[in-house]
Amino acid sequence: SQTIHQWPATLVQPVGSPLSLECTVEGTSNPNLYWYRQAAGRGLQLLFYSVGIGQISSEVPQNLSASRPQDRQFILSSKKLLLSDSGFYLCAWSVPGLPLHFGNGTRLTVT
Amino acid sequence: QKEVEQNSGPLSVPEGAIASLNCTYSDRGSQSFFWYRQYSGKSPELIMFIYSNGDKEDGRFTAQLNKASQYVSLLIRDSQPSDSATYLCAVKGSGYALNFGKGTSLLVTP
Repeated sequence: SQTIHQWPATLVQPVGSPLSLECTVEGTSNPNLYWYRQAAGRGLQLLFYSVGIGQISSEVPQNLSASRPQDRQFILSSKKLLLSDSGFYLCAWSVPGLPLHFGNGTRLTVT
Repeated sequence: QKEVEQNSGPLSVPEGAIASLNCTYSDRGSQSFFWYRQYSGKSPELIMFIYSNGDKEDGRFTAQLNKASQYVSLLIRDSQPSDSATYLCAVKGSGYALNFGKGTSLLVTP
């Protein structure tokens, strides 16, 4: 069966510091991978998605970036965090014909 | 902008009653529809999904689609306090990603 691992679970970072969140999927090949953000009182916002190694589509222009160095690895990064980057970051995967499944999420607080 | 709209609630129902959750979507070409449950502080978990060709029942849960009116509903029979959570409706159009509503908070009171 497929599983998705996301870490860390919680993170507190000062404004201006860098960010790296990682997500890996097991049990499937060539999944579509996604990064969503859920801010307090708001819905799930799609940030990036990838349909293959090195292929990244950005949905929202901002100071975040994503990379997919391996088939089942997806990384979310920032060079300098803003207060507005605080939120609950969710990695997710899907394959054609199957629904989207989320990792456990990372709660990021920028201070 | 392809939108999915949900009433934020909270929707309060007594234990044992039927909870009815709805969402509307704007993309008439949407083909598949999903309901996720999210407990406070946790990530969303998939409850049910249906395609544009029909409704679906799974245990206490029933998902229904009204294509003409562009809304999807989730019925929860015999509601339990453990069903108290936020329910997210998601719709997939022609793209790769799902569009999510902001969720409806459900409270089942003992």
